[in-house]
Amino acid sequence: AQTVTQSQPEMSVQEAETVTLSCTYDTSESDYYLFWYKQPPSRQMILVIRQEAYKQQNATENRFSVNFQKAAKSFSLKISDSQLGDAAMYFCAYRGTSYGKLTFGQGTILTVHP
Amino acid sequence: EAGVAQSPRYKIIEKRQSVAFWCNPISGHATLYWYQQILGQGPKLLIQFQNNGVVDDSQLPKDRFSAERLKGVDSTLKIQPAKLEDSAVYLCASSFRQGGDEQFFGPGTRLTVL
Repeated sequence: AQTVTQSQPEMSVQEAETVTLSCTYDTSESDYYLFWYKQPPSRQMILVIRQEAYKQQNATENRFSVNFQKAAKSFSLKISDSQLGDAAMYFCAYRGTSYGKLTFGQGTILTVHP
Repeated sequence: EAGVAQSPRYKIIEKRQSVAFWCNPISGHATLYWYQQILGQGPKLLIQFQNNGVVDDSQLPKDRFSAERLKGVDSTLKIQPAKLEDSAVYLCASSFRQGGDEQFFGPGTRLTVL
């Protein structure tokens, strides 16, 4: 079974600074997808960024980028120029290619200080 | 495009009572998911439907939980009888297909069992 581990229960960053959230996973599959989701207090889960395992190039979405290390099974999220609106719970998630089931990590609470 | 709708947003019940949650996915989405998110944890898949058929219900406590998606559109998740440990947020998500498509999440229902 696949597992996803987020070892940082909480992180904090100053506004306009950069922060990196860590995620490791375990799988025996060679092809899969990885995601970072943001969950604000409203509980609405919002997709931040996705990475296909077969792509060597790291995904980037505006201020959000990932460092995908397939051999190390590591998938970190870098948030540049942090904004107050980035404050939320962030979840790393894994999905195989056969079914749509997402396996989530435990989450990291991100606090952004003005 | 309307998002995933869920109701109610909040529900408080006594243990051993029954409760039902409703989800209406995005129009045209064939795959529907129910996740359980216990406070401080990542969501865990309870059941996945492809149209009106069950794809994965391996983590659904079938002695007390049931779900249906009769016409392949909206879905109902029921708990009967509820236990204290069922207190959680129940998230519904949908995707166009079950493979590589993005899952869109609803706002969730927060259940408190007293």
